[in-house]
Amino acid sequence: KNEVEQSPQNLTAQEGEFITINCSYSVGISALHWLQQHPGGGIVSLFMLSSGKKKHGRLIATINIQEKHSSLHITASHPRDSAVYICAAPGSTQGGSEKLVFGKGTKLTVNP
Amino acid sequence: NAGVTQTPKFQVLKTGQSMTLQCAQDMNHEYMSWYRQDPGMGLRLIHYSVGAGITDQGEVPNGYNVSRSTTEDFPLRLLSAAPSQTSVYFCASSYGQNQPQHFGDGTRLSIL
Repeated sequence: KNEVEQSPQNLTAQEGEFITINCSYSVGISALHWLQQHPGGGIVSLFMLSSGKKKHGRLIATINIQEKHSSLHITASHPRDSAVYICAAPGSTQGGSEKLVFGKGTKLTVNP
Repeated sequence: NAGVTQTPKFQVLKTGQSMTLQCAQDMNHEYMSWYRQDPGMGLRLIHYSVGAGITDQGEVPNGYNVSRSTTEDFPLRLLSAAPSQTSVYFCASSYGQNQPQHFGDGTRLSIL
């Protein structure tokens, strides 16, 4: 079974700072997911990536398949980025989106 | 499109009662999953389905039943509620095995 670890658990930043959240996993996978959970509880998918880098606005996700590691970066952070960011990976090498294993999340607070 | 709809949003039960959490999606997604989220833990997979008539157990299936008679609906049944089942429950769906997941808004369930 895949083990997914995230760091840090909590992160406080000042508006405008560059943010990095890290995720490591133990079993080779087909794709890794980054999710955002709003303070109200809703969860949205930010990225799904299997190699290289993806960018959406101020968010950038990278993955190194050989090292089993992924990072989520936020450039020019803003208070509205305050949320819990969750990394998830398939539970096994044969698994996919239907059987995800989740990290415990990184709670990000961006102060004005 | 409404996306993934979960009902109810909140529910309080007494120990031993049974109930069904409803999940419906209108995106014609084949893959659907149920997760529970507890404080200090990542989301954990309860049951999942890769198509109508096909279901399987996840990481924490005990005390829960599912069925998938249609592509749209994936209800989660608590057979005899226990305080350990107090949690926030999320339903998610995806188009395929390595596709982004779409989450419902969650059901907050308290068992007294």
